[in-house]
Amino acid sequence: DVKVTQSSRYLVKRTGEKVFLECVQDMDHENMFWYRQDPGLGLRLIYFSYDVKMKEKGDIPEGYSVSREKKERFSLILESASTNQTSMYLCASIFRTGGRGTEAFFGQGTRLTVV
Amino acid sequence: DQQVKQNSPSLSVQEGRISILNCDYTNSMFDYFLWYKKYPAEGPTFLISISSIKDKNEDGRFTVFLNKSAKHLSLHIVPSQPGDSAVYFCAAPGGATNKLIFGTGTLLAVQP
Repeated sequence: DVKVTQSSRYLVKRTGEKVFLECVQDMDHENMFWYRQDPGLGLRLIYFSYDVKMKEKGDIPEGYSVSREKKERFSLILESASTNQTSMYLCASIFRTGGRGTEAFFGQGTRLTVV
Repeated sequence: DQQVKQNSPSLSVQEGRISILNCDYTNSMFDYFLWYKKYPAEGPTFLISISSIKDKNEDGRFTVFLNKSAKHLSLHIVPSQPGDSAVYFCAAPGGATNKLIFGTGTLLAVQP
């Protein structure tokens, strides 16, 4: 079974802090993604990476950056946390299958609260 | 511009009855559609998918119907069970990078 692991389930950070969210997958997938989930807004794509050291902005990249130094690890960085970044953050490893089309495996999520 | 839309934020159904969750899309180039289920404080999990060349796919209690002319798909759950209570997202892969475009989700509550 594919496993995607996020380093923290719950985090509380102060405004202005630099925050690192870590994600590791164990299936050698090339494509990894960071989404955030907010009520009424669904899952919105922040950043994604299709290879080591490669990254692409998603729909809402402002205030975030990412790092992919190794294939299995994809980190989301909040450069200076703000209260509007309080959210559920979801990491996904996504690949194209023959039968199901595109399939995504998600981590358990990190509930970040910025105070 | 939201390419995948779920217009019903919530749905309440009695146990044993049918649940129907709807999803509309705007991009006729989508070649697959997927449904994900999400419990609170957990990541979404894959439920069922359908290729754009089909109009129906069934897996146990779950059936997805695709109406390409209307750019509409629906997920049917029969019979509904209390454990089905969750947020359901429809999604479609957008572009060559395999990113998934999600709808806003529908919160299903199945009442015992």
